[in-house]
Amino acid sequence: GEDVEQSLFLSVREGDSSVINCTYTDSSSTYLYWYKQEPGAGLQLLTYIFSNMDMKQDQRLTVLLNKKDKHLSLRIADTQTGDSAIYFCAESLSGGSYIPTFGRGTSLIVHP
Amino acid sequence: DGGITQSPKYLFRKEGQNVTLSCEQNLNHDAMYWYRQDPGQGLRLIYYSQIVNDFQKGDIAEGYSVSREKKESFPLTVTSAQKNPTAFYLCASKQGTGGYNEQFFGPGTRLTVL
Repeated sequence: GEDVEQSLFLSVREGDSSVINCTYTDSSSTYLYWYKQEPGAGLQLLTYIFSNMDMKQDQRLTVLLNKKDKHLSLRIADTQTGDSAIYFCAESLSGGSYIPTFGRGTSLIVHP
Repeated sequence: DGGITQSPKYLFRKEGQNVTLSCEQNLNHDAMYWYRQDPGQGLRLIYYSQIVNDFQKGDIAEGYSVSREKKESFPLTVTSAQKNPTAFYLCASKQGTGGYNEQFFGPGTRLTVL
């Protein structure tokens, strides 16, 4: 199976919170990342969390890490139409030269 | 402005032809990477280079080749041996090899083989 799994689509109303979920398989993952990709563009790192942390907050973004369940989530508060994009979860390992392994991406659609 | 450039943005080639995708960075980053993205798929690593004149195969290197003669440049050649080359290709670079070092991405090249 895939190393990093995430659902493919999420639809929310503008102003609501969005929660994008991700599961990973490698318990030795040391860094977990969230990237954003707008249509026809490259990826942009939104935030990352080190595996000894449970939570990280950065303005409207909150990352929660459940190491026991190997579950990572990204919460976007007060979602705006400009947040519509594909969001990728990724993990990296010290033994893998810290090269991220990416999930398939979750397409977030924000309705006015 | 520092960043990564990829050219061209769109590329069309006939089946059986080799094609080279350009990737240049002026961030003075040591490491550079090539990924392939297909619809509904995550990014898959083709090749990476952590230092000039050295590079390593990624997960899907067959049918591709690279060179790293200069720190700022990491061109990717899609050869005729690549069975399904139509895809979106992304180049990235990173300052060091630590997990906390941000990987910066270029805008991508969409290759269509007719």
